[in-house]
Amino acid sequence: GDSVTQMEGPVTLSEEAFLTINCTYTATGYPSLFWYVQYPGEGLQLLLKATKADDKGSNKGFEATYRKETTSFHLEKGSVQVSDSAVYFCALSGWTGNQFYFGTGTSLTVIP
Amino acid sequence: SQTIHQWPATLVQPVGSPLSLECTVEGTSNPNLYWYRQAAGRGLQLLFYSVGIGQISSEVPQNLSASRPQDRQFILSSKKLLLSDSGFYLCAWSVRSAGVREQFFGPGTRLTVL
Repeated sequence: GDSVTQMEGPVTLSEEAFLTINCTYTATGYPSLFWYVQYPGEGLQLLLKATKADDKGSNKGFEATYRKETTSFHLEKGSVQVSDSAVYFCALSGWTGNQFYFGTGTSLTVIP
Repeated sequence: SQTIHQWPATLVQPVGSPLSLECTVEGTSNPNLYWYRQAAGRGLQLLFYSVGIGQISSEVPQNLSASRPQDRQFILSSKKLLLSDSGFYLCAWSVRSAGVREQFFGPGTRLTVL
């Protein structure tokens, strides 16, 4: 079945460091891929998405590229800020589109 | 624009008591609706999803149930809560737009069972 494997955390970075959170997926057909962010005590917010191979999703300085050949959708940011501290979830929407599959989440803490 | 409401925001209930959490969506029609549970420091567990009124799919056997009495209303219930039901409950909705189905989450309900 469809699934998402996400880099284990927690991740601690200094402000302005480069961020990479790895995400790989298994899916039949052509899934859509997403990154969500969850701040403490809140629901998940859609951060970015990509719907087909080689698409690059971007938002708020974060980027991720849909790589079909490596079945990956790694999240990157060139310079993190303290306000980026949150839990990040990689997800896919399967072929039927009715179900979404989430990774286990990666906790990011950015220290000044 | 679309919005999703969940209430209550926090709830403390004794073991064995009933539960009713409500979720409503505004600004869209015929959405898919979902209930997830998130244990402390853990990922998301899909509990139920619904593709239409009265249509409920259960993903995990448990003492919880869900109902969808109206197009944009989704209710999570239990007759008798267990300690293990504590967690953060998230309602979500999705619609297909330009061939892509995106999912959006509510603010969540923090449930503590004592």
